[in-house]
Amino acid sequence: EPEVTQTPSHQVTQMGQEVILRCVPISNHLYFYWYRQILGQKVEFLVSFYNNEISEKSEIFDDQFSVERPDGSNFTLKIRSTKLEDSAMYFCASSADPLETQYFGPGTRLLVL
Amino acid sequence: GDSVTQMEGPVTLSEEAFLTINCTYTATGYPSLFWYVQYPGEGLQLLLKATKADDKGSNKGFEATYRKETTSFHLEKGSVQVSDSAVYFCALSDPRSGYSTLTFGKGTMLLVSP
Repeated sequence: EPEVTQTPSHQVTQMGQEVILRCVPISNHLYFYWYRQILGQKVEFLVSFYNNEISEKSEIFDDQFSVERPDGSNFTLKIRSTKLEDSAMYFCASSADPLETQYFGPGTRLLVL
Repeated sequence: GDSVTQMEGPVTLSEEAFLTINCTYTATGYPSLFWYVQYPGEGLQLLLKATKADDKGSNKGFEATYRKETTSFHLEKGSVQVSDSAVYFCALSDPRSGYSTLTFGKGTMLLVSP
């Protein structure tokens, strides 16, 4: 069964450093998403992406964040200058259509020291 | 804005016990409602969904009914198994966003002992 994969599973970084979280969505899906979950809090929507453009973003997704589909398979989330409060589990998801089920990856746990 | 509230965990049950995990929502429109499950070390998986009032979603013995009058979507299972131990997330999607954004609750951990 096709699945969304994410790398790395864990990442530790120093405050102020840039990190890139990688996702490989399901191959025939066209809609891509990033969510995050700070420990003990809700899973929060960050951004949705379609046709090489951001289609929607939340207030959390400020200028330090960017997304990219650099090739035909990867979908990345870049955090330019990490802050302590960026420590969270980051989930990637994809769907064939915005009305269809979103399939999630296992997440990347980011720890900013 | 939209929000989802679900009961705090962990919920600890013995095998074959009856499960209820409460979920209520706030939305201005007519959202679709979902339960996602996360098994240890895995991603969020869709467990069931309902797209309109009085719909019942069901899968793997789990059920939830979309109750507009009480703005609820409680998850139930008649007899849980050890393999059901996981974190369960209630979520909604809002037609105003083209259904592309999921709003989640905090998640409820379920622990089932033999």
